[in-house]
Amino acid sequence: DIVVTQSPDSLAVSLGERATINCKSSQSVLYTSNNRNYLAWYQQKPGQPPKLLIYWASTRESGVPDRFSGSESGTDFTLTISSLHAEDVAVYYCQQYLIAPRTFGQGTRVEIK
Amino acid sequence: QVQLQESGPGLVKPSETLSLTCTVSGDSVTSHYWSWIRQPAGKGLEWIGRISASGNIIYKSSLQSRVTMSVDTSKNQFSLKLHSVTAADTAVFYCARLRYTNGVFFPEDSWGQGTLVTVSS
Repeated sequence: DIVVTQSPDSLAVSLGERATINCKSSQSVLYTSNNRNYLAWYQQKPGQPPKLLIYWASTRESGVPDRFSGSESGTDFTLTISSLHAEDVAVYYCQQYLIAPRTFGQGTRVEIK
Repeated sequence: QVQLQESGPGLVKPSETLSLTCTVSGDSVTSHYWSWIRQPAGKGLEWIGRISASGNIIYKSSLQSRVTMSVDTSKNQFSLKLHSVTAADTAVFYCARLRYTNGVFFPEDSWGQGTLVTVSS
């Protein structure tokens, strides 16, 4: 199975400041047929199911605010919240969906400093 | 807008079979693939497997011997059975749509609210 590792496990950021979450896959998740990395980011708030934020490492899902962005470099991926809002407090997960079984990172908890 | 709703017993005895159904509205189960994911309390997400209405199924290998998934197109539902459960199977179980469009797989983009299943005698 592809192992997906996130860092840090948690971070506290002041409102309006930038939050950065990292994700590393144990092997390439690049689908060579379309040159896309099959890496997604989810946001999960307490008592709610995960919400898809980003797919193909950097494509925002419809309706997701543009303060959320994803970037990629080989097997390293980053989710950035450019200006933290109070409603962004949540646990964030990355997921590789290239190869079954699909696997998630362990999650990163984002809190307000 | 697609909606998914899990249903099934919230309490299952050890060694018995956990059975859940996901009812889909706003989309057809014949249009995409469908996943089951679970989450123990306070822990991360574990992908259990996915199924299509045409019978294309993949299970997580470590669960493969205990998992059965099926689709009922007449009811627009899909189901999960997890056999020989133990306390370690206690979790919130989610069903989700695995979007599949023009031969391209996407991540799970619509999820049910989740249902807590406790394994206990």
